[in-house]
Amino acid sequence: SYELKQPPSVSVSPGQTARITCSGDALPDHYVYWYQQKPGQAPTLIVYKDTERPSGIPERFSGSSSGTTVTLTISGVQAEDEADYYCQSAHSSVTYVLFGGGTKLTVL
Amino acid sequence: EVKLVESGGGLVKPGGSLRLSCTASGFIFSSYSINWVRQAPGKGLDWVSAISSGSRYTHYADSVKGRFTISRDNAKNSVYLQMNNLRAEDTAVYYCAREGGAGAESGDAFDFWGQGTMVTVSA
Repeated sequence: SYELKQPPSVSVSPGQTARITCSGDALPDHYVYWYQQKPGQAPTLIVYKDTERPSGIPERFSGSSSGTTVTLTISGVQAEDEADYYCQSAHSSVTYVLFGGGTKLTVL
Repeated sequence: EVKLVESGGGLVKPGGSLRLSCTASGFIFSSYSINWVRQAPGKGLDWVSAISSGSRYTHYADSVKGRFTISRDNAKNSVYLQMNNLRAEDTAVYYCAREGGAGAESGDAFDFWGQGTMVTVSA
């Protein structure tokens, strides 16, 4: 079955760059969206249409796309960025909406 | 201010039913699709269902098809999720989320989420 694959965990030190990948065969044909979820909170949209950032989201969050892999990059990671991150694709031929399994970002 | 508030969660026995509500404010509700997304304890996000702005289109995850029904009442700014024949694996926090849509800058992103309502299926 079709799925979006994310690494279960990523760890970085404060000030470093974190990269979280999301892979899926259908990604070249569909936009990807990224959400941040902190413990006990609802998810928040941080990147839409692969590379765009909603208003209010810090510039250190950015998205990129290459073939079947999209990447969320967090430059100059801060302690407050420690959270779970999920990629999401929409309207594929397999399912209306699909989420990746999530990546736990740990700030060392 | 855009706001989505879920209600209706609780404890139910396997095979039982529950109806969740999502009440919205702060935007033109009738112009947006609404989705339900759930999250089992300690697990990731799991999309459940979606309904288009005018109720013409509904979509379901395979895991809930035939058991859950999504509906909406635009006059009441509300979306509902009727959940029947509940199973232990349906235990989760259920979120409703607004879908930006084709005309929105954010596209099909879930740009606003409620805080969720907990559903526990247990004997």
